[in-house]
Amino acid sequence: NAGVTQTPKFQVLKTGQSMTLQCAQDMNHEYMSWYRQDPGMGLRLIHYSVGAGITDQGEVPNGYNVSRSTTEDFPLRLLSAAPSQTSVYFCASGTGSNIQYFGAGTRLSVL
Amino acid sequence: KQEVTQIPAALSVPEGENLVLNCSFTDSAIYNLQWFRQDPGKGLTSLLLIQSSQREQTSGRLNASLDKSSGRSTLYIAASQPGDSATYLCAVLSGSARQLTFGSGTQLTVLP
Repeated sequence: NAGVTQTPKFQVLKTGQSMTLQCAQDMNHEYMSWYRQDPGMGLRLIHYSVGAGITDQGEVPNGYNVSRSTTEDFPLRLLSAAPSQTSVYFCASGTGSNIQYFGAGTRLSVL
Repeated sequence: KQEVTQIPAALSVPEGENLVLNCSFTDSAIYNLQWFRQDPGKGLTSLLLIQSSQREQTSGRLNASLDKSSGRSTLYIAASQPGDSATYLCAVLSGSARQLTFGSGTQLTVLP
């Protein structure tokens, strides 16, 4: 009964480093997406996927890369971390027009 | 581009009061509207989902309404409790890619 699992929960990076935020869901959902949450700005869509092998950009895609090789996994890659990418990142999954399920989040600090 | 606005940004009420949180959206072509709760430092918990063809949904002390034509939704909380203190987020699912667009949230504090 795992739902949406995000790892790691916390991460500190130095400017210029790269890393991958992991997201996995066990509900066989077609749709998966990544959001970032910043104070006073709500959640903003970074990238999304409507199925394995299909990804597209959201509202704030710059500096991030995604791939969807399986239905279950949707990793988010930071290519060269910048202080502006300090944020809380949430992964979500869902099917059609049903409830979107969110992971617990990854809190990232870039120094 | 879909935009979602939540009013008020913050609300403080004494325990036991009934309260209403407001959400408005600019594009009425939505699949559904979802209300979430977020506790400090935590993830999002789905409270209620209203499909575009529905007018309201109820769960316990919570009631959410949807007026798609006017682009508005309200979340009604009856007999508020200190445990209801959290940030409440409204989000609409729209577009061919079924993207969620969030409001900035209403931070609710229920005073004992």
